[in-house]
Amino acid sequence: GDSVTQMEGPVTLSEEAFLTINCTYTATGYPSLFWYVQYPGEGLQLLLKATKADDKGSNKGFEATYRKETTSFHLEKGSVQVSDSAVYFCALSDRSSNTGKLIFGQGTTLQVKP
Amino acid sequence: SQTIHQWPATLVQPVGSPLSLECTVEGTSNPNLYWYRQAAGRGLQLLFYSVGIGQISSEVPQNLSASRPQDRQFILSSKKLLLSDSGFYLCAWSFKAGRSADQETQYFGPGTRLLVL
Repeated sequence: GDSVTQMEGPVTLSEEAFLTINCTYTATGYPSLFWYVQYPGEGLQLLLKATKADDKGSNKGFEATYRKETTSFHLEKGSVQVSDSAVYFCALSDRSSNTGKLIFGQGTTLQVKP
Repeated sequence: SQTIHQWPATLVQPVGSPLSLECTVEGTSNPNLYWYRQAAGRGLQLLFYSVGIGQISSEVPQNLSASRPQDRQFILSSKKLLLSDSGFYLCAWSFKAGRSADQETQYFGPGTRLLVL
């Protein structure tokens, strides 16, 4: 079945460092792809999304490009801040059923130190 | 605009007691609804989803059940809680499934933290 694999965390960076969180997927079709962020003690918030190959999602300085050839959707940010410390989830839409389900990766914890 | 509410925010319950968590959505009609559980330091586990009133699908066999008595209300229940039911419970909604990221986005509530002692 469809699946999402994220790089293991935690990822620890200094403020203003460059961030990459890898995400690769396996899917039978062409799903939509998502990044969600979860701050401590809160629910998930949509960070960015992409519908088709070569689409680039962006928000709050974060970017990710839908790469069909490498089945990837890596999250990047040029300069992280302490406030970016959170858990990041990559997800894809499950189009095998008409239920709107999303398949999530296991999450990657980001810690940014001042 | 749409909003999603969950309550209570925090709950401490003894083993063997019943459970009822509520989720309501405002500002949209006929949404898909989802219940997830997140154990401490772990990823998300989809528990139930619903595409309409009275229509519930279970993803994993367990001690919990779900109901959808109204279009925008989704309830998670248990008759007797187990220690392993502790976790962070998240409700989410989406539009009816489509073929774009806009239609397939899920929107999450603030969550309920459940501790079973």
